[in-house]
Amino acid sequence: GAVVSQHPSWVICKSGTSVKIECRSLDFQATTMFWYRQFPKQSLMLMATSNEGSKATYEQGVEKDKFLINHASLTLSTLTVTSAHPEDSSFYICSARTGGRGYGYTFGSGTRLTVV
Amino acid sequence: AQSVTQLGSHVSVSEGALVLLRCNYSSSVPPYLFWYVQYPNQGLQLLLKYTTGATLVKGINGFEAEFKKSETSFHLTKPSAHMSDAAEYFCAVSDQQAGTALIFGKGTTLSVSS
Repeated sequence: GAVVSQHPSWVICKSGTSVKIECRSLDFQATTMFWYRQFPKQSLMLMATSNEGSKATYEQGVEKDKFLINHASLTLSTLTVTSAHPEDSSFYICSARTGGRGYGYTFGSGTRLTVV
Repeated sequence: AQSVTQLGSHVSVSEGALVLLRCNYSSSVPPYLFWYVQYPNQGLQLLLKYTTGATLVKGINGFEAEFKKSETSFHLTKPSAHMSDAAEYFCAVSDQQAGTALIFGKGTTLSVSS
């Protein structure tokens, strides 16, 4: 089945530094990738939708200059948290939509970001 | 716009009892509906989905859900709870358009006692 590989699975960084999270579609081409954020004991909130070769579309309230999304190829999308602060600590998950008879969404395993 | 409401942020059952997790959706177009399970510090696992066809959908681990258009509901059930079912459950909705993201409900924590 369709697999999305997400790295790193966890990262600790100092306040003010930047962190890059990668999501790769291993056996299919992901034209569109979705990025979610999940705070402890809360639901997944859609942050942005990235389309290969074009600018990402951000949800209301999400700072596009802080959360830089790049989708340069059909198999790789990245989320960079710039100038991270403790309030950016969260669980970040990517997802790609799969089509055809196996229609659905496949998710990365998530990245636990802790900013100290 | 689409949305999902999960009634009950926390459900507690005894081992062997019926599990019922409620989900109601709002959508202006025919929805695609999903149930996911999440264990602590892990990603999401798909339990089942409804796209078209049969309204009673069977998933993994003995779970099933029924799409009821008249009630705009997609409740998740399991006849007999196991301790291993304790987890967070999310109902989600999308539509048929390409490039549409899944929208999640707030989640329901299922606790199973022995």
